[in-house]
Amino acid sequence: KAGVTQTPRYLIKTRGQQVTLSCSPISGHRSVSWYQQTPGQGLQFLFEYFSETQRNKGNFPGRFSGRQFSNSRSEMNVSTLELGDSALYLCASSLRTGAYEQYFGPGTRLTVT
Amino acid sequence: GQQLNQSPQSMFIQEGEDVSMNCTSSSIFNTWLWYKQDPGEGPVLLIALYKAGELTSNGRLTAQFGITRKDSFLNISASIPSDVGIYFCAGQLIGSSNTGKLIFGQGTTLQVKP
Repeated sequence: KAGVTQTPRYLIKTRGQQVTLSCSPISGHRSVSWYQQTPGQGLQFLFEYFSETQRNKGNFPGRFSGRQFSNSRSEMNVSTLELGDSALYLCASSLRTGAYEQYFGPGTRLTVT
Repeated sequence: GQQLNQSPQSMFIQEGEDVSMNCTSSSIFNTWLWYKQDPGEGPVLLIALYKAGELTSNGRLTAQFGITRKDSFLNISASIPSDVGIYFCAGQLIGSSNTGKLIFGQGTTLQVKP
């Protein structure tokens, strides 16, 4: 089975721009969670989508948003980028929402200049 | 917010030695997961634990779900150079079992000297 894929792998943007990241979960997995990883804050939960519905949201500003499509693929969007948004953005897929194993993709490295 | 305290922060050991790391919290968890992350890659799931007291092995790795549900540990036996990386614990808080939100520890950086 193919693993979780994320595109693009690397991205450079300037302050004020917006960005969209994509995640394709493992085939058959219906839950996708997004995390931000930075050296200072570690891995922080952004949000989770299951059956095209946001199930939970972490403590991030409204500039961070996401969605899930009927094929379980998910996108996250960050608007009005700030320097502090530079991070590795990881998505993880799981069979269902709840207490299940989560499998991570390789991440998208976003650099904001 | 909720925190997981992971220790030690880093370890530098000789090849062949055993390694132990743990995570503790003041909150109760109903799931513990252990991951390993290599530079530039996403975390890879090593072991998943779902019951208090559960002891699970995966090759040279052994992890336990603490009986109080507030801690977990990971042991690596007979370390080898490819064990190098950052190990993370992650837990799902009791009460959030209807969502996939995971809380992560700060990570343990493991270096192995051949």
